[in-house]
Amino acid sequence: AQSVAQPEDQVNVAEGNPLTVKCTYSVSGNPYLFWYVQYPNRGLQFLLKYITGDNLVKGSYGFEAEFNKSQTSFHLKKPSALVSDSALYFCAVRALYSSASKIIFGSGTRLSIRP
Amino acid sequence: DTAVSQTPKYLVTQMGNDKSIKCEQNLGHDTMYWYKQDSKKFLKIMFSYNNKELIINETVPNRFSPKSPDKAHLNLHINSLELGDSAVYFCASSQERGRTHEQYFGPGTRLTVT
Repeated sequence: AQSVAQPEDQVNVAEGNPLTVKCTYSVSGNPYLFWYVQYPNRGLQFLLKYITGDNLVKGSYGFEAEFNKSQTSFHLKKPSALVSDSALYFCAVRALYSSASKIIFGSGTRLSIRP
Repeated sequence: DTAVSQTPKYLVTQMGNDKSIKCEQNLGHDTMYWYKQDSKKFLKIMFSYNNKELIINETVPNRFSPKSPDKAHLNLHINSLELGDSAVYFCASSQERGRTHEQYFGPGTRLTVT
């Protein structure tokens, strides 16, 4: 079955420290992977994606993610966390079904950055 | 300019009523979606339309009926509303042809059924 897992419901980090939000996936074929962020009472915003090429992908707001094929992971990282990074983060994978495709979202990880 | 817009933002209604949510995107995308986000923030796809054609129809009660009058619009009509329909509904769009694929979301419609 095609799926994506975010093993941590919550991640707490002190401002200025590096942060990692974990994501693993299971998909047939080459994966298309995405990270989205959701601020309170808002829609999801696209952060970054991996389709092909360099395993380290850079995105919005200083975030980056590393694609690791052998570990089937796509962890989100930032070298120095800001309080304003506090939000709900979703990892997603594009899965192919017959002639269509759809995005499967993980369960979300709430990131909390303390001052 | 808002890329993906939804109306209304809030919808409070009683059980048994019929309601509609409208969505419009001005990004020129070829694919639009409806998602349901429950109280635990879990996001589940309901429908997907590509160039006005329904391509994904998840296990959603047939009280939910999407309609796409053109590529830029995807509306959701819900008949005989139930308490369990209370959730936030998000519309999204993406460009599938041309390897873009990331989705752009509307601000959501918070539906409360009493």
